[in-house]
Amino acid sequence: DQQVKQNSPSLSVQEGRISILNCDYTNSMFDYFLWYKKYPAEGPTFLISISSIKDKNEDGRFTVFLNKSAKHLSLHIVPSQPGDSAVYFCAASARSGGSQGNLIFGKGTKLSVKP
Amino acid sequence: SAVISQKPSRDICQRGTSLTIQCQVDSQVTMMFWYRQQPGQSLTLIATANQGSEATYESGFVIDKFPISRPNLTFSTLTVSNMSPEDSSIYLCSVRSGTYGYTFGSGTRLTVV
Repeated sequence: DQQVKQNSPSLSVQEGRISILNCDYTNSMFDYFLWYKKYPAEGPTFLISISSIKDKNEDGRFTVFLNKSAKHLSLHIVPSQPGDSAVYFCAASARSGGSQGNLIFGKGTKLSVKP
Repeated sequence: SAVISQKPSRDICQRGTSLTIQCQVDSQVTMMFWYRQQPGQSLTLIATANQGSEATYESGFVIDKFPISRPNLTFSTLTVSNMSPEDSSIYLCSVRSGTYGYTFGSGTRLTVV
C-alpha cells in the first residue's frame, strides 16, 4: 500500500499561470515533507520542504502547503515558467521516534508548462 | 550540499549478467542510500550502505541480488546480479545533505534484454 500518493501522473499549465501539484499521505508518523524536481537523465534535486509544525513554507515562486488533518500537501508554482517542466516528486519521512528518517516517495507528477 | 558522481549513466545488459554501479561523493558521509525507480513507479529504497559494516536492506531486497560495497566514507557500489528484464530501472545513489534532505546522483538507466 502506497504511503505517499500523487494521483495526477501529469499536469499541463500555461506559462504565467499557477501550477498546483498535490500529494496525499497515509502515515500519521510522517513529520517532514519534501518536494523534488527531476529533469530527464538527471537525479532528483531538492526544491522545498516543510515540517509538520508548519502549514506553509514559501521560497520565491514555490510555496508548499500542508494540511495535517487531511494528510495532504500541495506545491504551488506561480508564475509557472517553461523551465519548470519536469517531474515533481513528493516525499515524506518520519524523523522523530528514533527512525532513520528514510524518504518515502510518491510516483511523481510530470508538469508541462507551455509557452 | 554534497556532489555525487554516479556511473555508468546508462547500460544495456544481457539477462543473466551482472552490472556494478559506482557512486563517488565529494565529501565524507556516514551513510549512502541506494534507490530504484521502476518505470512509472516511485523511488524505492533498496538499502543503506554503512562504512565498515554490512548494508541494511529494505523489505523485498536481498544481498545476493543487490550486493553493496562501502570501502570508505566517499565511495559505494551497488551490483545488480543475475539480471532479468524486470530489473530494468533507474538506479540512484544518495546521501543526506543538511537541511535539504537528500542529494542524489544522476542515476543509472539500466535496460536488461
